[in-house]
Amino acid sequence: DVKVTQSSRYLVKRTGEKVFLECVQDMDHENMFWYRQDPGLGLRLIYFSYDVKMKEKGDIPEGYSVSREKKERFSLILESASTNQTSMYLCASSNGGSKGAEAFFGQGTRLTVV
Amino acid sequence: AQSVTQLDSHVSVSEGTPVLLRCNYSSSYSPSLFWYVQHPNKGLQLLLKYTSAATLVKGINGFEAEFKKSETSFHLTKPSAHMSDAAEYFCVVSAGGYNKLIFGAGTRLAVHP
Repeated sequence: DVKVTQSSRYLVKRTGEKVFLECVQDMDHENMFWYRQDPGLGLRLIYFSYDVKMKEKGDIPEGYSVSREKKERFSLILESASTNQTSMYLCASSNGGSKGAEAFFGQGTRLTVV
Repeated sequence: AQSVTQLDSHVSVSEGTPVLLRCNYSSSYSPSLFWYVQHPNKGLQLLLKYTSAATLVKGINGFEAEFKKSETSFHLTKPSAHMSDAAEYFCVVSAGGYNKLIFGAGTRLAVHP
């Protein structure tokens, strides 16, 4: 089975802290994604990466950055956490070379910024 | 650019009656379309996908969806709802060279006895 693992299920951070969310996949997928999920808004794409060191902004990149130094790992960084970044964060991976490739999701990290 | 509109934020049905969850998409490319389901406190699971083969796609748990290019729609249906179908459903479009996935806002399905 494909596995996408997010490092934490729950996190509580203070305003202004630098926050790292880690995601690892074990299927050698080219594509990796970070989404945030908020009630009534669905999943909104923050960033995605289509190869090591390659990234593209999604729909809501402000306040976030990402890092992909190895193919299996994709990190989301909140440079200075704010209360409006309290949300559920979901990481996903997919085989970038296949049209219609299914995305596999991690269990999510519920981040609370106080 | 790609986008997805789920026409209903909430749908409520009685057990044993049909389910219809509506989705319209916009894409500059020939799209792939998906439906994902998320049960409470669970991860996202793929229900079914369309990738330019048959326009009527069958998925898990008795769900199916029909791709209608002329209407830019990909509605999800099930003939008879079960209590276990209560969940949030997301319509997703993927297009372009990198297969970027764009989600709709979701439809919460409630099933009543």
